[in-house]
Amino acid sequence: KQEVTQIPAALSVPEGENLVLNCSFTDSAIYNLQWFRQDPGKGLTSLLLIQSSQREQTSGRLNASLDKSSGRSTLYIAASQPGDSATYLCAVNGGYGGATNKLIFGTGTLLAVQP
Amino acid sequence: NAGVTQTPKFQVLKTGQSMTLQCAQDMNHNSMYWYRQDPGMGLRLIYYSASEGTTDKGEVPNGYNVSRLNKREFSLRLESAAPSQTSVYFCASSLYSGGNSPLHFGNGTRLTVT
Repeated sequence: KQEVTQIPAALSVPEGENLVLNCSFTDSAIYNLQWFRQDPGKGLTSLLLIQSSQREQTSGRLNASLDKSSGRSTLYIAASQPGDSATYLCAVNGGYGGATNKLIFGTGTLLAVQP
Repeated sequence: NAGVTQTPKFQVLKTGQSMTLQCAQDMNHNSMYWYRQDPGMGLRLIYYSASEGTTDKGEVPNGYNVSRLNKREFSLRLESAAPSQTSVYFCASSLYSGGNSPLHFGNGTRLTVT
């Protein structure tokens, strides 16, 4: 059974720092991996989607990498800002054995960027 | 620019009561999903609908039923609520169920069962 783990559970950094959030998964047979952001009391917002054939995806200050063989993904945030404060979740697609959009989520990393 | 709309935002039920959570999307998406989010557990899929007229179970379907009323609307029903169903429920949609369609989420329904 696919399991997704995110470490650390919480992270506090000063504004301007570059930071890395980690995601690991137990079954490398995934179709894609997605990173989401969740603000308090809100739903999830899709940030980046990496297909299984890709190594990385970039959007603005965000860069996500994928290493299927080792079961790892990282989300790199450059020049962090207080507005980046949120919970970041990763999710893998394909945990049920097919190219469906039934995602399996990690429990998230709560990021606080201090001004 | 509504996206995915969920109602109600908050609900308190007594054990044994029933209720329906409503979800509607205005993005002409084909696929819709219901997740629950519990502390320390992450989001878990309850049911999904790959396309209008189809529904299928996810990881934690027991105690729930769903209806894909039309392409826009996907409802989740609790027939006899239990305290274990206290959670935050999220509806999501995507253009397709397969391939690489990002999910779009609503803001959630916070349900407490006493």
